Amino acid sequence: DIQMTQSPSSVSASVGDRVTITCRASQGISSWLAWYQQKPGKAPKLLIYAASSLQSGVPSRFSGSGSETDFTLTISSLQPEDFATYYCQQANSFPRTFGQGTKVEIK
Amino acid sequence: EVQLVESGGGLVQPGGSLRLSCAASGFTFSSFWMSWVRQVPGRGLEWVANIKQDGSEKYYVDSVKGRFTISRDNAKNSLYLQMNSLRAEDTAVYYCGRDLVYGGNCFRDYWGQGTLVTVSS
Repeated sequence: DIQMTQSPSSVSASVGDRVTITCRASQGISSWLAWYQQKPGKAPKLLIYAASSLQSGVPSRFSGSGSETDFTLTISSLQPEDFATYYCQQANSFPRTFGQGTKVEIK
Repeated sequence: EVQLVESGGGLVQPGGSLRLSCAASGFTFSSFWMSWVRQVPGRGLEWVANIKQDGSEKYYVDSVKGRFTISRDNAKNSLYLQMNSLRAEDTAVYYCGRDLVYGGNCFRDYWGQGTLVTVSS
């Protein structure tokens, strides 16, 4: 199985900050990676698919990059509604696996 | 508007069974892979199972193989998860989801609101 490791596990940031979350795969997955945002008590929401494609309706301050084993989710200017937990997931093979999550908290 | 509505969760004793259902609307159900993902409250996400559009391919996480069965009824726009021999560690919120096919692979683009399964005596 492919292991997905996110870092950091949590980050404290202020509104307007640039935030970067990384995700590392235990083996190459090409660009088969998605990023999800989850707010408390809600279902996750797809932000980025295929490593860098922005899902329809997602603000352009979110961007994704990377390939094979190293990936990045960047929020260019953090907004109040962005405080949430973010997960990466590989879609290269079954079983699908998620990272452990990164909680973005208010500083 | 895409809608996915899960039902069937609840409290069940260890060793018991439960069948989750997911009613889909707002899209052509038979054209999409579908999946189940679960989440222990306060913990991370765990993919459980996927099923192809016509049901000809199914995939499971190792921890549920032989106990859970994913299925679908395209005529009823419904996805199911039959869960047998339930264990305490199966306690979680179960999310139904639609998978967007892109370049030969698929990414979950819509999620239901989830249904809580509690396995306890």
